[in-house]
Amino acid sequence: ILNVEQSPQSLHVQEGDSTNFTCSFPSSNFYALHWYRWETAKSPEALFVMTLNGDEKKKGRISATLNTKEGYSYLYIKGSQPEDSATYLCAFINRFGDKIIFGKGTRLHILP
Amino acid sequence: GAGVSQSPRYKVAKRGQDVALRCDPISGHVSLFWYQQALGQGPEFLTYFQNEAQLDKSGLPSDRFFAERPEGSVSTLKIQRTQQEDSAVYLCASSLARFHTDTQYFGPGTRLTVL
Repeated sequence: ILNVEQSPQSLHVQEGDSTNFTCSFPSSNFYALHWYRWETAKSPEALFVMTLNGDEKKKGRISATLNTKEGYSYLYIKGSQPEDSATYLCAFINRFGDKIIFGKGTRLHILP
Repeated sequence: GAGVSQSPRYKVAKRGQDVALRCDPISGHVSLFWYQQALGQGPEFLTYFQNEAQLDKSGLPSDRFFAERPEGSVSTLKIQRTQQEDSAVYLCASSLARFHTDTQYFGPGTRLTVL
């Protein structure tokens, strides 16, 4: 059974502080890892598609790294802002590209 | 440009009632996915279409769940004889590529509450 774990489940961060959280996935049969941001009352929005071991991607203040050998990805947010409050989901895609498994998400709350 | 839309946004059903949830994907997107998200969980895969062909329905929880995409664009997820455990947010997503490798574009979801 393939399992994708995200930690922590929930996180409260002071505005201006930086933070990070983790997505763990099976290291075998890996094809890609997707990160999505899901704000309340909106649609989940794609952040990154990561495929290569050692990948590092950046979008503004948000960046992500990928370690396929040990099966984890980190998402970093620098200088948190209120608009960063959302649930961050990761999704593992298997080697054949025919299975997708989401984690339960990390719910991020930015405190003013 | 138009994104993925879903209707209705909210649906309250009495136990035993049939419901139909609609998804309008981005025009030209080959792949269409349905997910079920229960409270406190991540999206769970239900079914996948490549154009009009339903290639994977392994995630449908029971034979009360049925999905179709007859012309390769709009899709409908039907749940017959709804049960309380069917209460969840149902998300639809589409992507340009075949299979699951490409970025998926999500709709806002339909929140189903079964009383």
